[in-house]
This record gives sequence, structure tokens and C-alpha cells, in this order.
Amino acid sequence: QSALTQPASVSGSPGQSITISCTGTSSDVGGYNYLSWYQQHPGKAPKLMIYDVSTRASGVSTRFSGSKSGNTASLTISGLQAEDEADYYCTSYTTRSTYVFGTGSKVTVL
Amino acid sequence: QVQLVQSGAEVKKPGASVKVSCKASGYIFTTYAINWVRQAPGQRLEWMAWINLSNGNTKYSEDLQGRVTITRDTSASTVYMELSSLRSEDTAVYYCARERFREWDYWGQGTLVTVSS
Repeated sequence: QSALTQPASVSGSPGQSITISCTGTSSDVGGYNYLSWYQQHPGKAPKLMIYDVSTRASGVSTRFSGSKSGNTASLTISGLQAEDEADYYCTSYTTRSTYVFGTGSKVTVL
Repeated sequence: QVQLVQSGAEVKKPGASVKVSCKASGYIFTTYAINWVRQAPGQRLEWMAWINLSNGNTKYSEDLQGRVTITRDTSASTVYMELSSLRSEDTAVYYCARERFREWDYWGQGTLVTVSS
């Protein structure tokens, strides 16, 4: 199972908005709405941010939002803050009843 | 509160096996599935396996098929991940994660497994 494709790095200044894409196929991203996003700070376990494409996990800031069109999902962070600097991974359920992660995106706050 | 507590770091030689545990607390153990995810140093997250805790059904990554086995002990609220025929590329932090419904809401702290001769 090939990894979903994400940009290696995304950056923005405090207060700006950034968007991270996650591209798969009709066998994963395009086939289900079981698309989640995880935030991972260095040396820490991943944290669920968004699930079912666009539902924010409990306690997650409204600055985080998700969407999907066809085989590509997106995570948007608005009002970028220093604490948002981390790695972000998308993951999707697949037609083989397995899961596949994205390649990961490093978000840098300039 | 919900907690997943994993066993400690391991150092293994190539060809050996490792067994990592994940003890759940704070909820009814059999209600949710558990997944295992690993992350090699500086690399992306990689999904490994899934176990349904109510009936023991499992699903494994095709990349690890035949080398990974997930088991459970419901009396101890613990899930085990065993990886055999270890090679250097298996050096990674291994995480267990609770699956609510196709998403993972609670994660263990991670267990570093180092494979080195």
C-alpha cells in the first residue's frame, strides 16, 4: 500500500492560514470519508485533530478545519500560532480494510 | 481517565523477536479496537495492525504479513504486539492506539525497539 502524498513542508507567518493537502486514490481517500489528521510534536505521540474528513476532535481549536474533494483531502490551519509548529499526518481507511498514512508535512511558523 | 500504558524499551539482535504490551484503563476494554503504528527514526508513521478486542479478529499490514502477531488478554486489559525475524529496519518507536470508529483517539506513550547486532 503506497503512502498518501503530502507536501514535505508548509510554512506561514503567525496569523496567516495554511493548507496541507493529502492525495490518495479511489481505494482510500476517494473511497471513504474515514479520513483523519494527526498532529505530532517532536518526541511525542500523535494527537487526533480531525476525523471523518471534517469533524474536529474534542478540545481541538476551531482554527483547524478539514475538507475533501475526490481523492484529495485538505487540512487548513487558520490564524497560525507558534504552538501549531509540528508534523501533520493524514490517514485513510482503505478498501483492503487496512489503513494508510500520508508521507507527513512539517509545519513551520516563520 | 483513559490511558494506554506500554512496556519499556527493548534492544534486540537481528533475527530475534520482540513482544510489546499495551495496557488499557479507564474504559471498558472490549468496547474499542486497538491499532499498532510504528515510526522509524525521522520517518513517517506506518500502520501495522488492528485487533477487535471483543472477538479477537485481526488485520495486518501486507508489508508485515507473517511477521507480526497481535493478541489480547481481556482479563488483564492488555494487548500484545509481537514482531519476529527482526531486522535493522524494524528499529522504531511502536505505538498502540485506541480506535473509536476509524479514528484513533487515545495513544500509548510509545515503545522504542532497537535492532542491533
